[in-house]
Amino acid sequence: SYELTQPPSVSVSPGQTARITCSGDALPKQYAYWYQQKPGQAPVLVIYKDSERPSGIPERFSGSSSGTTVTLTISGVQAEDEADYYCQSADSSGTYPVFGTGTKVTVL
Amino acid sequence: QVQLQESGPGLVKPSETLSLTCAVSGYSISSGYYWGWIRQPPGKGLEWIGSIYHSGSTYYNPSLKSRVTISVDTSKNQFSLKLSSVTAADTAVYYCARVRNDGGVVYFDYWGQGTLVTVSS
Repeated sequence: SYELTQPPSVSVSPGQTARITCSGDALPKQYAYWYQQKPGQAPVLVIYKDSERPSGIPERFSGSSSGTTVTLTISGVQAEDEADYYCQSADSSGTYPVFGTGTKVTVL
Repeated sequence: QVQLQESGPGLVKPSETLSLTCAVSGYSISSGYYWGWIRQPPGKGLEWIGSIYHSGSTYYNPSLKSRVTISVDTSKNQFSLKLSSVTAADTAVYYCARVRNDGGVVYFDYWGQGTLVTVSS
């Protein structure tokens, strides 16, 4: 089955930049989406269509795409950004939604 | 503001059927969009289960398709999930969500708070 691969963890100091990658063979052909999930809470959409930011999401969250890898960048990381982050796209046929393996962001 | 709320038993016995309902407020299901279910085993990642349109059109995760039924009740503005022949591997937090489709890939813009379902005798 199709997989989207993320690093298990990323650590970053406050004020620095965190970059979370997501790799998948079909990503050059399909948009990617990013969700933030804090402990005990539902996921929240933070990036859609590779790089668009929903209303209410801080500008420090941005997304980019290059070939088979998409990247979520958090600039000027704050303590409140500590969470799990999941990318999401579609399977190789473009039919079914698929989530990435998830990345835990720790703010040191 | 669209809001979703899951409800249903928190404990299900092995081999039985898990049943959950998602009540939607702030938006009429009949107005459009697909509506979906996603689950998350404790300490693990997210897995899409399936989605339904207000007309009743459905599509399911191929890995769960044989055990899943999703239905919609537009008169109550809610949709439901049934997962049959459950095992301990089906223990998870189950989320309902609104499904969007921009540019061909579906994603989820509004989520319920989630409900934990434990499969145990």
